[in-house]
Amino acid sequence: DAGVIQSPRHEVTEMGQEVTLRCKPISGHNSLFWYRQTMMRGLELLIYFNNNVPIDDSGMPEDRFSAKMPNASFSTLKIQPSEPRDSAVYFCASSRTGLGAEAFFGQGTRLTVV
Amino acid sequence: GQQVMQIPQYQHVQEGEDFTTYCNSSTTLSNIQWYKQRPGGHPVFLIQLVKSGEVKKQKRLTFQFGEAKKNSSLHITATQTTDVGTYFCVGGGSQGNLIFGKGTKLSVKP
Repeated sequence: DAGVIQSPRHEVTEMGQEVTLRCKPISGHNSLFWYRQTMMRGLELLIYFNNNVPIDDSGMPEDRFSAKMPNASFSTLKIQPSEPRDSAVYFCASSRTGLGAEAFFGQGTRLTVV
Repeated sequence: GQQVMQIPQYQHVQEGEDFTTYCNSSTTLSNIQWYKQRPGGHPVFLIQLVKSGEVKKQKRLTFQFGEAKKNSSLHITATQTTDVGTYFCVGGGSQGNLIFGKGTKLSVKP
């Protein structure tokens, strides 16, 4: 398995533009997580899906952020409109369902909003 | 909400010195995991602790889970430059979500 695949690896966009980040989890994993990492706030859990259903989205900053998981092999995180303060590294991770299951992280998407 | 606090935030050591990072939770944890993130990389799973008072070792790394399952520690003996990175403890939420601590950034001076 190629592991968790995220695209793009880097994204530079202008303030106000829509940004879509993509994630392909490891086949057979039922849980998917989106995290945002910044120097100031560390690794923040944005949303957690289990069997394609959002279980906990309390970390989604505001209405500008939305996440979908239309099937077991694909998820998107969309920011519309983007703002400079959204600049961060966004990680997607997946794991098998169950408490304490090891999470595998993608390489991350480095987003810069200018 | 559930929080996992981790200290110290930064630690600078001379190569060969020991290093310890501590993790505390306000609530009882079902399990705790530890991850390492190298500079510019992504978090990588190190280990999971489940039982009260559990101690596990991986070469120079020793992981402990407190008796009350509210705290944990990671100790590295005789640090090496390859140990550089940020170490995160991760509490397992009741819904299966993973709550990361802020991490401890370790730098090792050769």
